[in-house]
Amino acid sequence: DTGVSQDPRHKITKRGQNVTFRCDPISEHNRLYWYRQTLGQGPEFLTYFQNEAQLEKSRLLSDRFSAERPKGSFSTLEIQRTEQGDSAMYLCASSILNNEQFFGPGTRLTVL
Amino acid sequence: EDQVTQSPEALRLQEGESSSLNCSYTVSGLRGLFWYRQDPGKGPEFLFTLYSAGEEKEKERLKATLTKKESFLHITAPKPEDSATYLCAVQAANDYKLSFGAGTTVTVRA
Repeated sequence: DTGVSQDPRHKITKRGQNVTFRCDPISEHNRLYWYRQTLGQGPEFLTYFQNEAQLEKSRLLSDRFSAERPKGSFSTLEIQRTEQGDSAMYLCASSILNNEQFFGPGTRLTVL
Repeated sequence: EDQVTQSPEALRLQEGESSSLNCSYTVSGLRGLFWYRQDPGKGPEFLFTLYSAGEEKEKERLKATLTKKESFLHITAPKPEDSATYLCAVQAANDYKLSFGAGTTVTVRA
């Protein structure tokens, strides 16, 4: 049974650089979610897809953030012109409709 | 806006010392309340979903209960391997995202 996978697991970048993260959901899960988690806090919702359609974006998601899910399979989250405040754990989750969301291991981003 | 408050922030237990974690919530119509376990540096691991007041779910030494205002996660006779951060989240009836609390970090000493 393959769970949600994320790549890379860790990313260190300099302020102003662009970064892209990938998420592979559990196969046949039609919903995919992105969350962000900072130290000592619970995950915060960023955006979600049903199949290939992006149906909701959080106010937290500035114009520098963009997400895609081509063909309703894997998803990418890109952050342009990174800032130190973007340093966090980026979590991906998937579900079948409104059932339980299963999370991946996360991508830890450090912006220097 | 949905709100989830977890208490205490941290809990230190001796092995075998049972205790409870609290999750208080406000949400405009509850679709479900979820409990997750998170180990350091890893993603949350799903534990339970509760849908209506009075519902209870059990898994090994963990038992989750739900009322109209709060949920409890009871840890019975904990072992060191139960050490983790336990996260509570709610999903509103007209929504898809999860709204999380800040978590309770449990440390169980042998």
